[in-house]
Amino acid sequence: DAGVIQSPRHEVTEMGQEVTLRCKPISGHDYLFWYRQTMMRGLELLIYFNNNVPIDDSGMPEDRFSAKMPNASFSTLKIQPSEPRDSAVYFCASSLGLAGASDTQYFGPGTRLTVL
Amino acid sequence: GEDVEQSLFLSVREGDSSVINCTYTDSSSTYLYWYKQEPGAGLQLLTYIFSNMDMKQDQRLTVLLNKKDKHLSLRIADTQTGDSAIYFCAESHGMDSSYKLIFGSGTRLLVRP
Repeated sequence: DAGVIQSPRHEVTEMGQEVTLRCKPISGHDYLFWYRQTMMRGLELLIYFNNNVPIDDSGMPEDRFSAKMPNASFSTLKIQPSEPRDSAVYFCASSLGLAGASDTQYFGPGTRLTVL
Repeated sequence: GEDVEQSLFLSVREGDSSVINCTYTDSSSTYLYWYKQEPGAGLQLLTYIFSNMDMKQDQRLTVLLNKKDKHLSLRIADTQTGDSAIYFCAESHGMDSSYKLIFGSGTRLLVRP
């Protein structure tokens, strides 16, 4: 398996623009997670899905952020409008389950977002 | 509350052992994890330990868990320059809709030649 795939790897945009980050989880994994990593706040869970359904979005910073999972092999995280404080590395991760060893999360390489 | 704490930085000489420490607060955590992050890359799972275990060994890695003190450590034997990275401790917390993987802030390991 190729592992979790994210695109783009780097994104530079101007304040106010819409940004869409993409993720392809590991095939067969039922859970998909979106994280944000910054120097100030470390690694934060934004939202996670189970079988394409959002389960907990309490980590989503504000209404400018939205995430979808239209099918088992694809998810997007959208920021509209983007702001400089959204600059961070955004990681997608997937896992088989939430209990036992199957809850091990496998991370993608991340998307480094810079909002000017 | 949920909190995982780690020291920020560790420097060792190549060939020595490294010990990275972590404390956590959730006594109900089922699994505890160590992840490694190299520059510009995502987090890579190194090892995990089930909460009813005291120790787990995997080649150069040894994980020790003191459940009473809520203390987890990762020992890397014969540390190599390729081990230089940020190491994150994480605990699983909650189930179903309350599930979270809580990460520490990471320990940056620098291996000197």
